[in-house]
Amino acid sequence: DIQMTQSPSSLSASVGDRVTITCRASQSISSYLNWYQQKAGKAPKLLIYATSSLQSGVPSRFSGSGSGTDFTLTISSLQPEDFATYYCQQSYSTPYTFGQGTKLEIK
Amino acid sequence: EVQLVESGGGLVKPGGSLRLSCAASGFTFSNAWMNWVRQAPGKGLEWVGRIKSKTDGVTTDYAAPVKGRFAISRDDSKNTLYLQMNSLKTEDTAVYFCTTEPRHLGLDYWGQGTLVTVSS
Repeated sequence: DIQMTQSPSSLSASVGDRVTITCRASQSISSYLNWYQQKAGKAPKLLIYATSSLQSGVPSRFSGSGSGTDFTLTISSLQPEDFATYYCQQSYSTPYTFGQGTKLEIK
Repeated sequence: EVQLVESGGGLVKPGGSLRLSCAASGFTFSNAWMNWVRQAPGKGLEWVGRIKSKTDGVTTDYAAPVKGRFAISRDDSKNTLYLQMNSLKTEDTAVYFCTTEPRHLGLDYWGQGTLVTVSS
């Protein structure tokens, strides 16, 4: 199985900050890397698919990059509604696997 | 508007069975690949399994912890996805979400989830 490792596991930041979350795969997954945002008590929301494609309706302050085994999610200027938990997920091969999550908190 | 509505969750004893349903609307269900994802209380997301469309062979794949105990099926005439869960264990306690998958391009639509609690 492909293991996904996210870092950091938690992060404190302020409104307006630029934030980067990283995700590393245990083997190459080409560009089959997706990012989700989850708020407490809600279903996850797809933000970015295939490494860098923005899902419809997602603000442009979210961006993704990488390839192979190393990927990043960047939020260019944090907004109050961005404080949530973020997960990466590989869809290169089943079993699909998620990172352990990054909890983004208000500083 | 795409809607996915899960049902069938509840309290079940270890070793018991439960069948979850996911009613889909707002898209062509028969063409869709569908997944189940779960989340144990206070934990991260865990992929459970996937079923492809009829045109792609209706093949299923499962995560190791549920393989041989869980079965995913679909009824395209009813626009409904199912998750049959047998030999349930306490570690299967979680909120179960159904999701759509545009063929390896992420899990784009999610239901609200249904809680399964396995406890004696």
